[in-house]
Amino acid sequence: DGGITQSPKYLFRKEGQNVTLSCEQNLNHDAMYWYRQDPGQGLRLIYYSQIVNDFQKGDIAEGYSVSREKKESFPLTVTSAQKNPTAFYLCASSTSDGISGNTIYFGEGSWLTVV
Amino acid sequence: GQNIDQPTEMTATEGAIVQINCTYQTSGFNGLFWYQQHAGEAPTFLSYNVLDGLEEKGRFSSFLSRSKGYSYLLLKELQMKDSASYLCAVPDGGATNKLIFGTGTLLAVQP
Repeated sequence: DGGITQSPKYLFRKEGQNVTLSCEQNLNHDAMYWYRQDPGQGLRLIYYSQIVNDFQKGDIAEGYSVSREKKESFPLTVTSAQKNPTAFYLCASSTSDGISGNTIYFGEGSWLTVV
Repeated sequence: GQNIDQPTEMTATEGAIVQINCTYQTSGFNGLFWYQQHAGEAPTFLSYNVLDGLEEKGRFSSFLSRSKGYSYLLLKELQMKDSASYLCAVPDGGATNKLIFGTGTLLAVQP
């Protein structure tokens, strides 16, 4: 089945630790994204990548880092510089051909909690 | 920049019809998306409108007026499983690879 796989589903982080969330897609999509969602709030864009080896900051990139070494993979690292990382993290991907507005499809999400 | 407004919450009765409105301001328009998100789950794509008018897809329809910066999602024959947040989203400044989301409308369907 084609889709977007995020792991882990649940992750606990201690203060001062870096953690990495995995995102893999087999949809052959060029573009990939990371969004953050806080309880009762909308989605905010952290980073996005339109092509391999290139990525841009979104609205809330501070304290996060990404890489895009392969088309299929777009891991997100939550660094110790992110002071309030507890949230629901959503990875997404889309085409870049303009058809259907480059509809974004989401993975199942990862819950990160600081303990 | 972009600005999207949706009502925060709505309540409707099973079997009824509900309309969820979305107004937007964007520097370059390249379509409007609606997503459904159940609590604790990822958003799922519902519809994409780029031209004015109504697009019907089963029990769900989406309307767009570009001149008014306005869209609505119409849900017919409501079912309990339709209780969810409904997110309106537009591409950022016409850049179709970057979506800006509204905060969503939480719909509660009551028996």
